[in-house]
Amino acid sequence: EIVLTQSPATLSLSPGERATLSCRASQSVSSYLAWYQQKPGRAPRLLIYDASNRATGIPARFSGSGSGADFTLTISSLEPEDFAVYYCQQRSNWPLTFGGGTKVEIK
Amino acid sequence: QGQLVESGGGLVKPGGSLRLSCAASRFTFSGSYMSWIRQAPGKGLEWLSYISDSADTILYTDSVKGRFTISRDNGMNSLYLQMNSLRAEDTAVYYCARVVGRGNYGHADYWGQGTLVTVSS
Repeated sequence: EIVLTQSPATLSLSPGERATLSCRASQSVSSYLAWYQQKPGRAPRLLIYDASNRATGIPARFSGSGSGADFTLTISSLEPEDFAVYYCQQRSNWPLTFGGGTKVEIK
Repeated sequence: QGQLVESGGGLVKPGGSLRLSCAASRFTFSGSYMSWIRQAPGKGLEWLSYISDSADTILYTDSVKGRFTISRDNGMNSLYLQMNSLRAEDTAVYYCARVVGRGNYGHADYWGQGTLVTVSS
């Protein structure tokens, strides 16, 4: 099973600041990595797929990069609605797995 | 934008069974791969099962293999999860999701609102 390790566990930032979230895989997943946002009591929402492609309707301030085993989600300037938990997910091997999540909280 | 609505969750005793349903609309269900994903209270996400559009490919994660069965009815635009031999650690919100992606498996672009399953005596 491919283990995804996300860091940091919590990121404390202010609106307008840049957020950089990391996801590291225990083995290469090529570019088969997605990012999701989840707010309390809500289902996750797909943000980025295949490492760098924004899903439909996702604002341009969200961007993804990386390949192989190291990936980054960047939020260029945090909006109030961006404070949430973010998960990465690999689709290289079964079972499909998620990282443990990074909580982006208001500083 | 596709819509998925889960139902069937509730309180069940350890060792009991429950069947979850997921009604799909606003997209071509019969041509879509689907999955069940769960989230224990306060925890992360776990991808449980995967079914191809024609149900000729079905996969389970080890924690539910032999206890849970995924199925679908394309005529009814519905996805199901039969859960047997339930354990306390199966307590979670269960989501159905549409899976898309070229090549290996996929990512989940449509999610239901989730249904809570609580396993407790």
